[in-house]
Amino acid sequence: TQLLEQSPQFLSIQEGENLTVYCNSSSVFSSLQWYRQEPGEGPVLLVTVVTGGEVKKLKRLTFQFGDARKDSSLHITAAQPGDTGLYLCAGVGQFYFGTGTSLTVIP
Amino acid sequence: GAGVSQSPRYKVAKRGQDVALRCDPISGHVSLFWYQQALGQGPEFLTYFQNEAQLDKSGLPSDRFFAERPEGSVSTLKIQRTQQEDSAVYLCASSLFGTIYFGEGSWLTVV
Repeated sequence: TQLLEQSPQFLSIQEGENLTVYCNSSSVFSSLQWYRQEPGEGPVLLVTVVTGGEVKKLKRLTFQFGDARKDSSLHITAAQPGDTGLYLCAGVGQFYFGTGTSLTVIP
Repeated sequence: GAGVSQSPRYKVAKRGQDVALRCDPISGHVSLFWYQQALGQGPEFLTYFQNEAQLDKSGLPSDRFFAERPEGSVSTLKIQRTQQEDSAVYLCASSLFGTIYFGEGSWLTVV
């Protein structure tokens, strides 16, 4: 059961472009995490957002938690080939991951 | 160990064969999770242990899937009479205080 829907499912962009991926749910989460998974590896935690409306920045990545704590977004500025991977959101303590966004950044 | 270790990394099984996948969590981590992941998809929850107790096995897709963690450390996911739809990456993860650390996964192909 996937309680978290991510969009888009696939995204292919040129190096230097900006992009936003979304994570939406009908459920309220106490906090939400974003992970990045590279081919052949397990997911690695990027950030945890806890407060509704919270914005966190990690270099060129900006994470936002919706006011109602049902949705989140990840914005990448000036994407680089090293950003390529599968981006996953997950509700903390829920065990469930989102459907994933597969990002390819073309040099 | 320094990270979550899974073995084997790659397994090819003939349909009907039984397989066992091993997970060595980070030392001292109480919680252990198993996930199944299809290519390009998010991981699907299978089961969760706290120490040796299996607290949630609601994600196991059928009674052919069985997981154990008898001493609260190493865990084994066993799949009996494998079928082609069992082909996937099986991820193990462990955590102590909220942050989940994943292994690299065991890639299972059933032919």
